[in-house]
Amino acid sequence: AQTVTQSQPEMSVQEAETVTLSCTYDTSESDYYLFWYKQPPSRQMILVIRQEAYKQQNATENRFSVNFQKAAKSFSLKISDSQLGDAAMYFCASNNNAGNMLTFGGGTRLMVKP
Amino acid sequence: DTGVSQDPRHKITKRGQNVTFRCDPISEHNRLYWYRQTLGQGPEFLTYFQNEAQLEKSRLLSDRFSAERPKGSFSTLEIQRTEQGDSAMYLCASSLGTGVNGYTFGSGTRLTVV
Repeated sequence: AQTVTQSQPEMSVQEAETVTLSCTYDTSESDYYLFWYKQPPSRQMILVIRQEAYKQQNATENRFSVNFQKAAKSFSLKISDSQLGDAAMYFCASNNNAGNMLTFGGGTRLMVKP
Repeated sequence: DTGVSQDPRHKITKRGQNVTFRCDPISEHNRLYWYRQTLGQGPEFLTYFQNEAQLEKSRLLSDRFSAERPKGSFSTLEIQRTEQGDSAMYLCASSLGTGVNGYTFGSGTRLTVV
Protein backbone atom coordinates (compact mmCIF):
# COMPACT_ATOMS: atom_id res chain seq x y z
CA ALA A 1 0.00 0.00 0.00
CA GLN A 2 1.11 3.52 -0.71
CA THR A 3 0.22 6.78 0.99
CA VAL A 4 1.14 10.30 -0.08
CA THR A 5 0.88 13.34 2.15
CA GLN A 6 1.04 17.00 1.20
CA SER A 7 1.08 19.11 4.32
CA GLN A 8 0.67 22.51 2.65
CA PRO A 9 -2.92 23.11 1.49
CA GLU A 10 -1.96 26.49 0.02
CA MET A 11 1.23 28.28 -0.92
CA SER A 12 1.86 31.63 -2.51
CA VAL A 13 4.88 33.01 -4.30
CA GLN A 14 5.81 36.29 -5.89
CA GLU A 15 6.27 36.20 -9.63
CA ALA A 16 9.91 35.45 -10.58
CA GLU A 17 10.71 34.02 -7.16
CA THR A 18 11.26 30.42 -6.06
CA VAL A 19 8.84 28.21 -4.15
CA THR A 20 9.12 24.70 -2.76
CA LEU A 21 6.15 22.37 -2.34
CA SER A 22 6.49 19.54 0.16
CA CYS A 23 5.50 15.90 -0.14
CA THR A 24 6.10 12.82 1.97
CA TYR A 25 5.15 9.31 1.06
CA ASP A 26 5.12 5.81 2.43
CA THR A 27 5.37 2.62 0.46
CA SER A 28 6.18 -1.03 0.95
CA GLU A 29 7.50 -1.29 -2.60
CA SER A 30 11.21 -1.66 -3.25
CA ASP A 31 10.92 -0.08 -6.68
CA TYR A 32 8.58 2.80 -7.22
CA TYR A 33 8.14 6.05 -9.09
CA LEU A 34 7.26 9.53 -7.90
CA PHE A 35 5.49 12.29 -9.79
CA TRP A 36 4.34 15.85 -9.55
CA TYR A 37 1.21 16.73 -11.48
CA LYS A 38 -0.21 20.18 -12.14
CA GLN A 39 -3.97 20.75 -12.39
CA PRO A 40 -4.92 24.25 -13.55
CA PRO A 41 -8.46 25.41 -12.74
CA SER A 42 -11.00 23.52 -14.83
CA ARG A 43 -8.28 21.94 -16.91
CA GLN A 44 -6.74 18.53 -17.17
CA MET A 45 -3.95 17.20 -15.02
CA ILE A 46 -0.51 17.53 -16.57
CA LEU A 47 2.65 15.66 -15.63
CA VAL A 48 5.31 18.10 -14.43
CA ILE A 49 8.18 15.87 -13.40
CA ARG A 50 8.97 12.25 -12.67
CA GLN A 51 11.55 10.55 -10.44
CA GLU A 52 12.62 6.91 -10.41
CA ALA A 53 13.25 5.85 -6.83
CA TYR A 54 16.32 3.81 -7.71
CA LYS A 55 18.03 6.88 -9.15
CA GLN A 56 19.84 9.09 -6.68
CA GLN A 57 20.08 12.03 -9.02
CA ASN A 58 17.27 14.52 -8.61
CA ALA A 59 15.10 15.05 -11.69
CA THR A 60 14.99 18.43 -13.39
CA GLU A 61 12.67 19.80 -16.08
CA ASN A 62 13.46 23.39 -17.02
CA ARG A 63 12.29 25.55 -14.08
CA PHE A 64 11.05 22.53 -12.12
CA SER A 65 13.29 20.35 -9.99
CA VAL A 66 12.83 17.89 -7.16
CA ASN A 67 14.62 17.17 -3.93
CA PHE A 68 14.29 13.43 -3.47
CA GLN A 69 15.31 12.15 -0.05
CA LYS A 70 14.72 8.41 -0.18
CA ALA A 71 15.57 7.60 3.42
CA ALA A 72 13.28 10.34 4.68
CA LYS A 73 10.61 9.42 2.09
CA SER A 74 10.44 13.03 1.04
CA PHE A 75 9.89 14.35 -2.48
CA SER A 76 9.62 18.13 -2.72
CA LEU A 77 9.10 20.22 -5.85
CA LYS A 78 11.00 23.43 -6.44
CA ILE A 79 9.69 25.93 -8.96
CA SER A 80 12.20 28.58 -9.95
CA ASP A 81 11.41 31.91 -11.60
CA SER A 82 7.70 31.44 -10.90
CA GLN A 83 5.31 32.58 -13.59
CA LEU A 84 1.63 33.52 -13.45
CA GLY A 85 0.86 30.39 -15.47
CA ASP A 86 2.26 28.23 -12.68
CA ALA A 87 -0.80 28.97 -10.56
CA ALA A 88 -2.62 25.67 -10.12
CA MET A 89 -3.21 22.72 -7.83
CA TYR A 90 -0.11 20.57 -7.56
CA PHE A 91 -0.40 16.91 -6.69
CA CYS A 92 2.37 14.63 -5.58
CA ALA A 93 1.86 10.98 -6.53
CA SER A 94 3.59 7.65 -6.31
CA ASN A 95 3.27 4.53 -8.40
CA ASN A 96 4.37 0.99 -7.79
CA ASN A 97 6.68 -0.93 -10.06
CA ALA A 98 3.76 -2.44 -11.94
CA GLY A 99 2.54 1.05 -12.71
CA ASN A 100 -1.05 0.17 -11.95
CA MET A 101 -1.72 2.14 -8.79
CA LEU A 102 -0.96 5.85 -9.02
CA THR A 103 -1.67 7.21 -5.55
CA PHE A 104 -2.13 10.95 -5.04
CA GLY A 105 -1.67 13.31 -2.16
CA GLY A 106 -4.32 15.85 -1.22
CA GLY A 107 -2.78 18.63 -3.27
CA THR A 108 -1.29 22.09 -2.71
CA ARG A 109 -2.89 25.15 -4.23
CA LEU A 110 -0.17 27.46 -5.54
CA MET A 111 -0.96 31.13 -6.02
CA VAL A 112 1.42 33.38 -7.93
CA LYS A 113 1.33 37.07 -7.13
CA PRO A 114 2.22 39.54 -9.86
CA ASP B 1 -3.92 12.36 -31.66
CA THR B 2 -5.84 14.78 -29.46
CA GLY B 3 -5.13 13.09 -26.14
CA VAL B 4 -7.61 11.53 -23.74
CA SER B 5 -11.20 12.60 -24.39
CA GLN B 6 -14.06 12.37 -21.93
CA ASP B 7 -17.73 12.87 -22.56
CA PRO B 8 -19.78 14.58 -21.29
CA ARG B 9 -17.84 17.36 -19.58
CA HIS B 10 -20.68 18.00 -17.15
CA LYS B 11 -23.65 15.93 -16.08
CA ILE B 12 -26.43 16.89 -13.71
CA THR B 13 -28.74 14.09 -12.71
CA LYS B 14 -31.46 13.44 -10.19
CA ARG B 15 -30.80 11.07 -7.35
CA GLY B 16 -31.71 7.53 -8.29
CA GLN B 17 -31.02 7.94 -12.01
CA ASN B 18 -28.37 6.02 -13.91
CA VAL B 19 -25.53 7.80 -15.68
CA THR B 20 -22.86 6.66 -18.10
CA PHE B 21 -19.59 8.37 -18.93
CA ARG B 22 -17.30 7.68 -21.84
CA CYS B 23 -13.55 7.86 -22.15
CA ASP B 24 -11.51 7.65 -25.34
CA PRO B 25 -7.84 7.06 -24.53
CA ILE B 26 -4.84 7.81 -26.68
CA SER B 27 -5.16 5.23 -29.42
CA GLU B 28 -1.92 3.35 -28.86
CA HIS B 29 -2.27 3.26 -25.07
CA ASN B 30 -3.13 -0.21 -23.78
CA ARG B 31 -3.91 0.78 -20.20
CA LEU B 32 -6.88 2.85 -19.13
CA TYR B 33 -7.65 4.10 -15.62
CA TRP B 34 -10.64 5.66 -13.89
CA TYR B 35 -10.25 8.00 -10.92
CA ARG B 36 -12.68 9.99 -8.81
CA GLN B 37 -11.83 13.43 -7.47
CA THR B 38 -13.95 15.28 -4.95
CA LEU B 39 -13.62 19.01 -4.43
CA GLY B 40 -10.31 19.99 -2.86
CA GLN B 41 -9.00 16.44 -2.77
CA GLY B 42 -6.57 14.37 -4.78
CA PRO B 43 -7.85 11.82 -7.27
CA GLU B 44 -8.71 8.37 -5.91
CA PHE B 45 -8.22 5.21 -7.93
CA LEU B 46 -11.36 3.37 -9.03
CA THR B 47 -10.31 0.78 -11.59
CA TYR B 48 -8.01 0.04 -14.50
CA PHE B 49 -7.97 -1.97 -17.69
CA GLN B 50 -5.20 -3.53 -19.66
CA ASN B 51 -6.61 -3.80 -23.14
CA GLU B 52 -10.15 -5.13 -22.61
CA ALA B 53 -9.45 -6.85 -19.28
CA GLN B 54 -10.42 -5.12 -16.05
CA LEU B 55 -7.51 -6.04 -13.80
CA GLU B 56 -8.14 -4.18 -10.59
CA LYS B 57 -11.02 -2.50 -8.82
CA SER B 58 -10.92 -0.29 -5.75
CA ARG B 59 -13.17 -0.85 -2.76
CA LEU B 60 -14.56 2.58 -3.68
CA LEU B 61 -16.17 0.94 -6.68
CA SER B 62 -19.41 -0.23 -5.12
CA ASP B 63 -21.87 -2.60 -6.76
CA ARG B 64 -23.62 0.41 -8.30
CA PHE B 65 -20.53 1.16 -10.38
CA SER B 66 -19.52 -0.78 -13.46
CA ALA B 67 -16.85 -0.14 -16.03
CA GLU B 68 -16.21 -1.70 -19.39
CA ARG B 69 -13.67 -1.45 -22.13
CA PRO B 70 -14.97 -3.49 -25.05
CA LYS B 71 -12.36 -4.31 -27.67
CA GLY B 72 -9.70 -2.52 -25.65
CA SER B 73 -10.52 0.88 -27.09
CA PHE B 74 -12.91 3.35 -25.40
CA SER B 75 -14.25 2.75 -21.92
CA THR B 76 -17.52 3.48 -20.18
CA LEU B 77 -18.20 4.02 -16.50
CA GLU B 78 -21.80 3.55 -15.40
CA ILE B 79 -23.26 4.54 -12.06
CA GLN B 80 -26.65 3.08 -11.23
CA ARG B 81 -29.11 4.58 -8.76
CA THR B 82 -26.97 7.66 -8.21
CA GLU B 83 -26.62 9.13 -4.75
CA GLN B 84 -25.60 12.64 -3.71
CA GLY B 85 -22.30 11.24 -2.49
CA ASP B 86 -21.48 10.28 -6.07
CA SER B 87 -21.10 13.96 -6.98
CA ALA B 88 -17.49 14.34 -8.04
CA MET B 89 -15.16 14.74 -10.99
CA TYR B 90 -14.56 11.44 -12.75
CA LEU B 91 -11.17 11.36 -14.42
CA CYS B 92 -9.97 8.97 -17.06
CA ALA B 93 -6.31 8.41 -17.87
CA SER B 94 -4.33 6.17 -20.16
CA SER B 95 -0.78 4.93 -20.47
CA LEU B 96 1.39 2.98 -22.83
CA GLY B 97 2.70 -0.04 -21.04
CA THR B 98 2.90 -0.12 -17.28
CA GLY B 99 2.38 3.58 -16.67
CA VAL B 100 5.60 4.07 -14.74
CA ASN B 101 6.33 6.99 -17.03
CA GLY B 102 3.12 8.64 -15.91
CA TYR B 103 -0.45 8.73 -17.11
CA THR B 104 -2.12 11.07 -19.58
CA PHE B 105 -5.33 12.42 -18.11
CA GLY B 106 -8.51 13.61 -19.71
CA SER B 107 -10.34 16.75 -18.64
CA GLY B 108 -12.83 14.78 -16.61
CA THR B 109 -16.61 14.52 -16.30
CA ARG B 110 -18.11 16.54 -13.48
CA LEU B 111 -21.15 14.79 -12.03
CA THR B 112 -23.65 16.62 -9.89
CA VAL B 113 -26.41 14.58 -8.26
CA VAL B 114 -29.36 16.69 -7.11
